[in-house]
Amino acid sequence: DSGVTQTPKHLITATGQRVTLRCSPRSGDLSVYWYQQSLDQGLQFLIQYYNGEERAKGNILERFSAQQFPDLHSELNLSSLELGDSALYFCASSVGVLGQGTYNSPLHFGNGTRLTVT
Amino acid sequence: AQKVTQAQTEISVVEKEDVTLDCVYETRDTTYYLFWYKQPPSGELVFLIRRNSFDEQNEISGRYSWNFQKSTSSFNFTITASQVVDSAVYFCALSERTGKLIFGQGTTLQVKP
Repeated sequence: DSGVTQTPKHLITATGQRVTLRCSPRSGDLSVYWYQQSLDQGLQFLIQYYNGEERAKGNILERFSAQQFPDLHSELNLSSLELGDSALYFCASSVGVLGQGTYNSPLHFGNGTRLTVT
Repeated sequence: AQKVTQAQTEISVVEKEDVTLDCVYETRDTTYYLFWYKQPPSGELVFLIRRNSFDEQNEISGRYSWNFQKSTSSFNFTITASQVVDSAVYFCALSERTGKLIFGQGTTLQVKP
Protein backbone atom coordinates (compact mmCIF):
# COMPACT_ATOMS: atom_id res chain seq x y z
CA ASP A 1 0.00 0.00 0.00
CA SER A 2 1.58 3.27 -1.18
CA GLY A 3 -0.47 5.43 1.17
CA VAL A 4 -1.88 7.44 -1.73
CA THR A 5 -5.66 7.15 -2.06
CA GLN A 6 -7.52 7.76 -5.26
CA THR A 7 -11.27 7.77 -5.72
CA PRO A 8 -13.24 6.54 -7.50
CA LYS A 9 -11.53 3.42 -8.81
CA HIS A 10 -13.69 3.26 -11.90
CA LEU A 11 -15.74 5.88 -13.68
CA ILE A 12 -17.93 5.42 -16.72
CA THR A 13 -19.46 8.47 -18.28
CA ALA A 14 -20.67 9.83 -21.59
CA THR A 15 -19.04 12.21 -24.00
CA GLY A 16 -19.52 15.83 -23.14
CA GLN A 17 -19.79 15.19 -19.42
CA ARG A 18 -17.60 16.46 -16.59
CA VAL A 19 -15.97 14.36 -13.88
CA THR A 20 -13.81 14.97 -10.83
CA LEU A 21 -11.07 12.63 -9.70
CA ARG A 22 -9.85 12.85 -6.15
CA CYS A 23 -6.49 12.13 -4.58
CA SER A 24 -5.28 12.07 -0.99
CA PRO A 25 -1.48 12.08 -0.76
CA ARG A 26 0.63 10.16 1.72
CA SER A 27 0.79 11.70 5.14
CA GLY A 28 3.52 14.34 5.14
CA ASP A 29 3.85 14.61 1.37
CA LEU A 30 3.48 18.13 0.02
CA SER A 31 3.73 17.47 -3.71
CA VAL A 32 0.97 15.93 -5.76
CA TYR A 33 1.32 14.87 -9.38
CA TRP A 34 -1.25 13.76 -11.92
CA TYR A 35 -0.43 11.38 -14.75
CA GLN A 36 -2.51 9.98 -17.56
CA GLN A 37 -1.84 6.49 -18.85
CA SER A 38 -3.38 5.52 -22.15
CA LEU A 39 -2.46 2.58 -24.35
CA ASP A 40 -0.86 4.63 -27.10
CA GLN A 41 0.66 7.46 -25.05
CA GLY A 42 2.21 5.71 -22.09
CA LEU A 43 2.51 7.61 -18.82
CA GLN A 44 2.05 11.30 -19.53
CA PHE A 45 2.63 13.95 -16.91
CA LEU A 46 -0.29 16.34 -16.55
CA ILE A 47 0.36 18.68 -13.66
CA GLN A 48 2.11 19.05 -10.30
CA TYR A 49 1.14 20.94 -7.18
CA TYR A 50 3.31 21.74 -4.22
CA ASN A 51 1.67 22.83 -0.99
CA GLY A 52 -1.32 24.24 -2.80
CA GLU A 53 0.46 25.96 -5.65
CA GLU A 54 0.95 24.81 -9.21
CA ARG A 55 4.58 23.81 -9.69
CA ALA A 56 4.85 22.27 -13.13
CA LYS A 57 2.57 21.72 -16.06
CA GLY A 58 2.75 19.07 -18.71
CA ASN A 59 0.58 18.18 -21.65
CA ILE A 60 -2.64 18.99 -19.88
CA LEU A 61 -5.59 19.91 -22.07
CA GLU A 62 -7.45 23.16 -21.49
CA ARG A 63 -10.55 21.07 -20.73
CA PHE A 64 -8.70 19.66 -17.74
CA SER A 65 -7.94 21.51 -14.53
CA ALA A 66 -6.66 20.63 -11.11
CA GLN A 67 -6.16 22.09 -7.70
CA GLN A 68 -4.64 21.21 -4.38
CA PHE A 69 -6.55 22.16 -1.27
CA PRO A 70 -5.24 23.38 2.12
CA ASP A 71 -5.50 19.86 3.51
CA LEU A 72 -3.25 18.81 0.58
CA HIS A 73 -5.74 16.60 -1.17
CA SER A 74 -6.04 17.24 -4.87
CA GLU A 75 -8.76 17.06 -7.48
CA LEU A 76 -8.47 16.68 -11.22
CA ASN A 77 -11.44 18.00 -13.17
CA LEU A 78 -12.06 16.74 -16.67
CA SER A 79 -14.75 18.46 -18.72
CA SER A 80 -16.32 18.16 -22.17
CA LEU A 81 -15.11 14.60 -22.16
CA GLU A 82 -14.20 12.90 -25.40
CA LEU A 83 -13.73 9.24 -26.23
CA GLY A 84 -9.97 9.79 -26.34
CA ASP A 85 -9.94 10.83 -22.69
CA SER A 86 -10.56 7.24 -21.69
CA ALA A 87 -7.47 6.26 -19.72
CA LEU A 88 -6.06 5.37 -16.34
CA TYR A 89 -5.41 8.49 -14.30
CA PHE A 90 -2.78 8.25 -11.61
CA CYS A 91 -2.10 10.52 -8.73
CA ALA A 92 1.29 10.41 -7.04
CA SER A 93 2.78 12.21 -4.10
CA SER A 94 6.25 12.93 -2.80
CA VAL A 95 7.84 14.79 0.06
CA GLY A 96 9.17 17.49 -2.25
CA VAL A 97 11.03 20.32 -0.52
CA LEU A 98 10.67 23.52 -2.48
CA GLY A 99 13.92 25.33 -3.18
CA GLN A 100 16.12 22.39 -2.28
CA GLY A 101 15.58 20.39 -5.42
CA THR A 102 12.76 17.94 -5.17
CA TYR A 103 14.02 15.53 -7.73
CA ASN A 104 15.44 12.97 -5.39
CA SER A 105 12.11 11.99 -3.89
CA PRO A 106 10.46 8.89 -5.26
CA LEU A 107 6.90 9.36 -6.35
CA HIS A 108 4.43 7.08 -4.65
CA PHE A 109 1.44 6.30 -6.82
CA GLY A 110 -2.15 5.61 -6.01
CA ASN A 111 -3.98 2.73 -7.64
CA GLY A 112 -5.44 4.98 -10.30
CA THR A 113 -8.89 5.89 -11.54
CA ARG A 114 -9.95 4.11 -14.70
CA LEU A 115 -12.05 6.48 -16.76
CA THR A 116 -14.17 5.15 -19.58
CA VAL A 117 -15.92 7.64 -21.83
CA THR A 118 -18.69 6.14 -23.97
CA ALA B 1 15.15 17.95 -23.64
CA GLN B 2 15.01 15.13 -21.17
CA LYS B 3 14.01 11.78 -22.52
CA VAL B 4 13.89 8.14 -21.50
CA THR B 5 13.97 5.35 -24.04
CA GLN B 6 13.08 1.75 -23.39
CA ALA B 7 13.69 0.15 -26.73
CA GLN B 8 12.30 -3.24 -25.77
CA THR B 9 8.54 -3.12 -26.05
CA GLU B 10 7.92 -6.71 -25.04
CA ILE B 11 10.10 -9.50 -23.72
CA SER B 12 9.06 -13.08 -23.20
CA VAL B 13 11.16 -15.54 -21.21
CA VAL B 14 10.70 -18.90 -19.59
CA GLU B 15 10.76 -19.14 -15.83
CA LYS B 16 14.26 -19.24 -14.27
CA GLU B 17 15.84 -17.42 -17.18
CA ASP B 18 17.71 -14.20 -16.51
CA VAL B 19 16.39 -11.12 -18.27
CA THR B 20 17.72 -7.59 -18.71
CA LEU B 21 15.53 -4.58 -19.36
CA ASP B 22 17.30 -1.72 -21.09
CA CYS B 23 16.91 1.97 -20.32
CA VAL B 24 18.70 4.85 -21.99
CA TYR B 25 18.19 8.44 -20.92
CA GLU B 26 19.01 11.94 -22.11
CA THR B 27 19.50 14.93 -19.86
CA ARG B 28 21.56 18.09 -19.69
CA ASP B 29 21.49 18.16 -15.90
CA THR B 30 24.63 17.18 -14.05
CA THR B 31 22.64 16.02 -11.07
CA TYR B 32 19.67 13.81 -11.68
CA TYR B 33 17.90 10.75 -10.41
CA LEU B 34 16.78 7.61 -12.16
CA PHE B 35 14.03 5.28 -11.11
CA TRP B 36 12.46 1.97 -11.98
CA TYR B 37 8.80 1.21 -11.41
CA LYS B 38 6.83 -1.99 -11.83
CA GLN B 39 3.22 -2.14 -12.99
CA PRO B 40 1.76 -5.61 -12.42
CA PRO B 41 -1.45 -6.72 -14.16
CA SER B 42 -3.45 -5.30 -11.25
CA GLY B 43 -2.45 -1.85 -12.48
CA GLU B 44 -0.72 -0.11 -9.60
CA LEU B 45 2.71 1.46 -10.02
CA VAL B 46 5.27 0.15 -7.57
CA PHE B 47 8.51 1.97 -6.85
CA LEU B 48 11.54 -0.33 -7.14
CA ILE B 49 14.70 1.74 -6.99
CA ARG B 50 16.15 5.24 -7.07
CA ARG B 51 19.71 6.00 -8.16
CA ASN B 52 21.46 9.39 -8.22
CA SER B 53 23.81 10.45 -10.96
CA PHE B 54 26.86 10.44 -8.70
CA ASP B 55 26.56 6.85 -7.63
CA GLU B 56 27.59 4.42 -10.33
CA GLN B 57 27.82 1.42 -8.09
CA ASN B 58 25.69 -1.47 -9.15
CA GLU B 59 22.91 -2.36 -6.78
CA ILE B 60 21.51 -5.76 -5.98
CA SER B 61 18.32 -6.52 -4.14
CA GLY B 62 17.51 -10.21 -4.05
CA ARG B 63 16.94 -11.33 -7.63
CA TYR B 64 16.95 -7.74 -8.88
CA SER B 65 20.06 -5.84 -9.91
CA TRP B 66 20.66 -2.51 -11.57
CA ASN B 67 23.58 -1.42 -13.70
CA PHE B 68 24.06 2.34 -14.03
CA GLN B 69 26.60 3.52 -16.60
CA LYS B 70 26.88 7.25 -16.93
CA SER B 71 29.23 6.99 -19.90
CA THR B 72 26.52 5.36 -21.97
CA SER B 73 23.56 7.05 -20.23
CA SER B 74 22.08 3.71 -19.38
CA PHE B 75 20.35 2.31 -16.33
CA ASN B 76 19.59 -1.32 -17.01
CA PHE B 77 17.61 -3.66 -14.84
CA THR B 78 18.28 -7.39 -14.56
CA ILE B 79 16.04 -10.01 -13.04
CA THR B 80 17.88 -13.20 -12.19
CA ALA B 81 16.04 -16.53 -12.21
CA SER B 82 12.79 -14.92 -13.33
CA GLN B 83 9.48 -16.04 -11.90
CA VAL B 84 5.94 -15.87 -13.21
CA VAL B 85 5.17 -13.20 -10.60
CA ASP B 86 7.72 -10.95 -12.29
CA SER B 87 5.35 -10.61 -15.25
CA ALA B 88 4.54 -6.92 -15.44
CA VAL B 89 5.25 -3.71 -17.28
CA TYR B 90 8.46 -2.10 -16.11
CA PHE B 91 9.07 1.61 -16.43
CA CYS B 92 12.32 3.49 -16.26
CA ALA B 93 12.04 7.15 -15.29
CA LEU B 94 14.18 10.27 -15.01
CA SER B 95 13.45 13.08 -12.58
CA GLU B 96 13.33 16.75 -13.34
CA ARG B 97 14.20 19.46 -10.81
CA THR B 98 10.54 20.02 -9.99
CA GLY B 99 10.32 16.41 -8.93
CA LYS B 100 8.17 15.22 -11.78
CA LEU B 101 9.21 12.02 -13.48
CA ILE B 102 9.63 11.49 -17.18
CA PHE B 103 8.83 7.91 -18.00
CA GLY B 104 9.96 5.64 -20.78
CA GLN B 105 7.33 3.82 -22.77
CA GLY B 106 7.68 0.72 -20.63
CA THR B 107 8.75 -2.85 -21.30
CA THR B 108 6.20 -5.61 -20.94
CA LEU B 109 7.82 -8.68 -19.45
CA GLN B 110 6.06 -12.00 -19.74
CA VAL B 111 7.50 -14.89 -17.77
CA LYS B 112 6.10 -18.23 -18.84
CA PRO B 113 6.04 -21.24 -16.56
